[in-house]
Amino acid sequence: DVVMTQTPPSLSVAIGQSVSISCKSSQSLVHSDGKTYLNWLLQNPGQSPKRLIYQVSNLGSGVPDRFSGTGSEKDFTLKISRVEAEDLGVYHCVQATHVPYTFGAGTKLELK
Amino acid sequence: EVQLVESGGGLVKPGSSLKLSCVASGFTFSSYGMHWIRQAPKKGLEWIALIYYDSSNKYYADSVKGRFTISRDNSKNTLYLEMNSLRSEDTAMYYCAKSWVNWGQGVMVTVSS
Repeated sequence: DVVMTQTPPSLSVAIGQSVSISCKSSQSLVHSDGKTYLNWLLQNPGQSPKRLIYQVSNLGSGVPDRFSGTGSEKDFTLKISRVEAEDLGVYHCVQATHVPYTFGAGTKLELK
Repeated sequence: EVQLVESGGGLVKPGSSLKLSCVASGFTFSSYGMHWIRQAPKKGLEWIALIYYDSSNKYYADSVKGRFTISRDNSKNTLYLEMNSLRSEDTAMYYCAKSWVNWGQGVMVTVSS
C-alpha cells in the first residue's frame, strides 16, 4: 500500500500568516493515464471533510485562491496564503492513484 | 444541490453485523462511483471501499476485506455497506462520498461489549 507521510502534524498560525503543509508518498502517484490523483481536503471542527485541491494543483469549485497545491511524483505541498479563521481545522492529503486509496495522518491548523 | 444522507449506525457487540445506507440526491447517482470512508474517534481518515457506477468493480481496504460488502441500488439512489464480524477497531464515523467532493454528514458505528 502507498504510505502518505504528512507533515507537520500541527501548525499554530496567526490570521493573515501563510503556511505550507507537505505530503510525501512512498511511491509515484502518476497513474497509467498520466494524471496524478493527489487531493487535499479540509475538515473543519465537527464537520465532514471537503475537497480543496484535486490532481495536485486544481482548485475545487468555490475554493478561495489563497489555497494552492504544487508537486509531482512523490512530493506534494499545500500552501495557504493569508490564513483566515474559516481555514482552521484538519488538512488531509489523499492519493487516489493506487488502490487501496490512502490518506496522510492529517495536519491540524490552529490559531496562535 | 448534492446531498448524501447516511443511516443505519448504532451500538453493536463484537462479532455482530450492521448495514449502513447512504441515500443520494441532487445528481445522477447511477453515473458515479461511490466511496465509504471512516474516521475512528480522534483519528485520521481511512478509505474502506469503492464501487463503480454500474457495480462492475468493487475495491476494499485490507482491514475490511472479506468482512464488509459495498453495494448499490441505482433505482433507489442508495449506496450500502454491509458489515459483518464487527470488531472494536471498526468503531468510527462512517462517511459516504461522491468522488472526494461531496460527503455525507456521517453515521457513527460503535462496536463494544
